[in-house]
Amino acid sequence: NAGVTQTPKFRVLKTGQSMTLLCAQDMNHEYMYWYRQDPGMGLRLIHYSVGEGTTAKGEVPDGYNVSRLKKQNFLLGLESAAPSQTSVYFCASSYREGNQPQHFGDGTRLSIL
Amino acid sequence: AQSVTQLDSHVSVSEGTPVLLRCNYSSSYSPSLFWYVQHPNKGLQLLLKYTSAATLVKGINGFEAEFKKSETSFHLTKPSAHMSDAAEYFCVVSDFYGGSQGNLIFGKGTKLSVKP
Repeated sequence: NAGVTQTPKFRVLKTGQSMTLLCAQDMNHEYMYWYRQDPGMGLRLIHYSVGEGTTAKGEVPDGYNVSRLKKQNFLLGLESAAPSQTSVYFCASSYREGNQPQHFGDGTRLSIL
Repeated sequence: AQSVTQLDSHVSVSEGTPVLLRCNYSSSYSPSLFWYVQHPNKGLQLLLKYTSAATLVKGINGFEAEFKKSETSFHLTKPSAHMSDAAEYFCVVSDFYGGSQGNLIFGKGTKLSVKP
């Protein structure tokens, strides 16, 4: 019962460094999402994907890139990390049919110094 | 455009007393509404969902919510709080029928504290 698995769980970066966050789901979900969570802001959608090979921008896409080369994986990249990207990042996935709930991973805590 | 407002950022109750977490929504369509719970250092877990069936929705751990279209509300309740209910709760609306392919719109969260 793995569900949605995020790697790594914690990471500290220096400004300007790059990194990739990995999300893997084993529920055969078509849709996958990346959110960031900041205090008092709820969750904000960064990018999402409605299927293998497709991605789309969410509410706060600047500074991030994503790829969905395989149905079960959704990668979030930071090309040049900035302190404003210090946050907790959550990946989620869901079935394609309307109004299905999203299933969340446990998050990645990212600090940019 | 859809939006969600959680009316309290922090609610404190005593163990064994009722819980009420308030949520109002705005939607151009018949919305789907969810409540999620987040325990410290964990991801979000679905508590319950409303998708235009019964207006009173029962969820896990004794929680329930009532959809009131006339008041555009979807308040979360529990008759008797338990210490393990201490967490942050998010009210969420889905704008699937608005063309955004299932994207969720989150409220800013209500932190529930439970005193012994």
